[in-house]
Amino acid sequence: SYELTQPPSVSVSPGQTARFTCSGDALPKQYTYWYQQKPGQAPVLVMDKDTERPSGIPERFSGSRSGTTVTLTISGVQAEDEADYYCQSPDSTDSYLMFGGGTKLTVL
Amino acid sequence: QMQLVQSGPEVKKPGTSLKVSCKASGSTFTMSAMQWVRQARGQRLEWVGWIVVGSGHTNYGQKFQDRVTITWDMSTSTAYMEVNTLRAEDTAVYYCATGDGVGATVWGQGTLVTVSS
Repeated sequence: SYELTQPPSVSVSPGQTARFTCSGDALPKQYTYWYQQKPGQAPVLVMDKDTERPSGIPERFSGSRSGTTVTLTISGVQAEDEADYYCQSPDSTDSYLMFGGGTKLTVL
Repeated sequence: QMQLVQSGPEVKKPGTSLKVSCKASGSTFTMSAMQWVRQARGQRLEWVGWIVVGSGHTNYGQKFQDRVTITWDMSTSTAYMEVNTLRAEDTAVYYCATGDGVGATVWGQGTLVTVSS
């Protein structure tokens, strides 16, 4: 079955750049969506269609793609960015959506 | 501004069925589809399925195809997710979520479902 692969954790100091990767065979042909989830809260969409920031999301969040990997970047990480980050994308036939395993961001 | 309000927590016995509701209010005309997502305590997000609001077409995650039914009541702008033959592993918080495209910009508050004998 199709899978989206994310590293389990990323750690950075405040002000540094955090990068989250998401890999999947269908990603060259499908958009990817990124969600931020803080403990006890519902997820928040932080990146739409690979590179589009939804309204209200700070400019330090950006998205990019290269081949079978898409990347969410937070430039100038702040303590409030500490959260779990999930990618979501359809399979190659648009039969279903799925989430990656999530990456936990720790701000040192 | 759109808002999603879900039904309250549920405690169910194994083998029984569950139906969770999600009422949309506000700018519902912008909705494209309603997703259902679940999350067991301390675990990853898991996509359950969705319904395209305009057509009623549904898609389900591979592990949910045989046990889950998602419906949409246009008259009340309410989505429903029914899960049959509940198992302990179905214990989770279930969210509904929507937006004007695939990306879900609006989420419900979550419904805690506990399956226990």
